[in-house]
Amino acid sequence: DTAVSQTPKYLVTQMGNDKSIKCEQNLGHDTMYWYKQDSKKFLKIMFSYNNKELIINETVPNRFSPKSPDKAHLNLHINSLELGDSAVYFCASSQAGLGYEQYFGPGTRLTVT
Amino acid sequence: QQQVKQSPQSLIVQKGGISIINCAYENTAFDYFPWYQQFPGKGPALLIAIRPDVSEKKEGRFTISFNKSAKQFSLHIMDSQPGDSATYFCAASKDAGNMLTFGGGTRLMVKP
Repeated sequence: DTAVSQTPKYLVTQMGNDKSIKCEQNLGHDTMYWYKQDSKKFLKIMFSYNNKELIINETVPNRFSPKSPDKAHLNLHINSLELGDSAVYFCASSQAGLGYEQYFGPGTRLTVT
Repeated sequence: QQQVKQSPQSLIVQKGGISIINCAYENTAFDYFPWYQQFPGKGPALLIAIRPDVSEKKEGRFTISFNKSAKQFSLHIMDSQPGDSATYFCAASKDAGNMLTFGGGTRLMVKP
């Protein structure tokens, strides 16, 4: 069974479009995250979310928004896509609190043309 | 600015050799320091982690050395194997939000 899954695996779209990436975890974790990995492999946190609090990395444009329909899902919505949004997006989950292992999904490669 | 700096960017080691990757951090509030391993086309996976109250942690062939006063930590891979070839990331986090700040990554190649 896949612990953290993401769909789609690949997403190609045009500038200006709105798109969503879905994430699901079956580990019973309280906290979920979104990370962006750029073309140079640099990994950057975007959001941390549990049922009590959303923490947003201050550098993330407000075109990006996480939405959690329930504890096991954290979807990423992106409005008005730009070329610079092209990257691999990883969802992760962990127990709540500092120092708990984060389990990453397989990633979604987003290409904006 | 980059809060966690990692070096080298790439590393080639012979099979059986020792691989050493170094990281330095700036924010003294960081309180948890994991290392992640990433294979091509996969998500990162936790390798080993340390808290600043210890100077060293060993798990099998993997060892973290931690120097709190210098704000540096390193990963040592003993008896490196071709299967260890991957990209390694150091990271740090500092509060209950557990948001990881990653280093820039090191691409390790272990030659047979």
